[in-house]
Amino acid sequence: AQSVTQPDIHITVSEGASLELRCNYSYGATPYLFWYVQSPGQGLQLLLKYFSGDTLVQGIKGFEAEFKRSQSSFNLRKPSVHWSDAAEYFCAVGGRANFGNEKLTFGTGTRLTIIP
Amino acid sequence: DVKVTQSSRYLVKRTGEKVFLECVQDMDHENMFWYRQDPGLGLRLIYFSYDVKMKEKGDIPEGYSVSREKKERFSLILESASTNQTSMYLCASSPITSGGLKGETQYFGPGTRLLVL
Repeated sequence: AQSVTQPDIHITVSEGASLELRCNYSYGATPYLFWYVQSPGQGLQLLLKYFSGDTLVQGIKGFEAEFKRSQSSFNLRKPSVHWSDAAEYFCAVGGRANFGNEKLTFGTGTRLTIIP
Repeated sequence: DVKVTQSSRYLVKRTGEKVFLECVQDMDHENMFWYRQDPGLGLRLIYFSYDVKMKEKGDIPEGYSVSREKKERFSLILESASTNQTSMYLCASSPITSGGLKGETQYFGPGTRLLVL
C-alpha cells in the first residue's frame, strides 16, 4: 500500500529565508508525486507534480521539488519565502485504482509560519 | 480555469440528521472524489467515482454514502450524522487517466466545514 510521510508538523522561517519541506513516500512502482498548498479557509491548489523525466520539477510561486528515488523523497524547496507563503503544504503520491484511474494518498501536512 | 464548487462553506447539523454535501465541477471530468480533512490526519479519501452511477469506497467510507446521477455532480450523504463526523469535507475532480498511468491532477473545491452537535 502506498503511503506518504511528512515528518515536520510545523515549520517557522523568516521572510526572505530559504525553505525546505520534507516528504518521504512508499510506493511499489514508479510514483507520481504532487505538492499541494492550502491557504487558510481554502481548498488545495497544485504547486507542482512529478511524473517522469527530469527529477527537478519547477512549480508555481517559485517552488521546486526534487525526486530522489534512492531516498524515496520528494522535498519541496523555495530559495526565498514571502509572507504570502504561510499556509499548509501537503505531499501526495498517486496510485493505481480500478479501471486505470488513480487516487491520491496524502501526507498529514506541514504548516508553514513566516515571521517578519 | 477548472472550477469545483461546493454547496456550503459552513454547515451546522444535529446528531441523527441526514446531511447532503453537494459538489459540482465544470470541466467535464470523469473522476470525482470526497475527502475529509482533520488536524494531524491530513486528507483521507471517503469515496470516489469514475463515472456516472459508479462509485468506489475509499479509505474511510463507514457512515457515508455517495450519489452521482450526473457527470458534473457528486453528492456525499451522511445518513445519520454523528459528532465524530465533524470535519472539513473537500471535493475534488480529475480527468480520466490516459494509458492508465498518467497521474492526472486533482482539482479541489473550497471545502465545507461541518459541525455536528
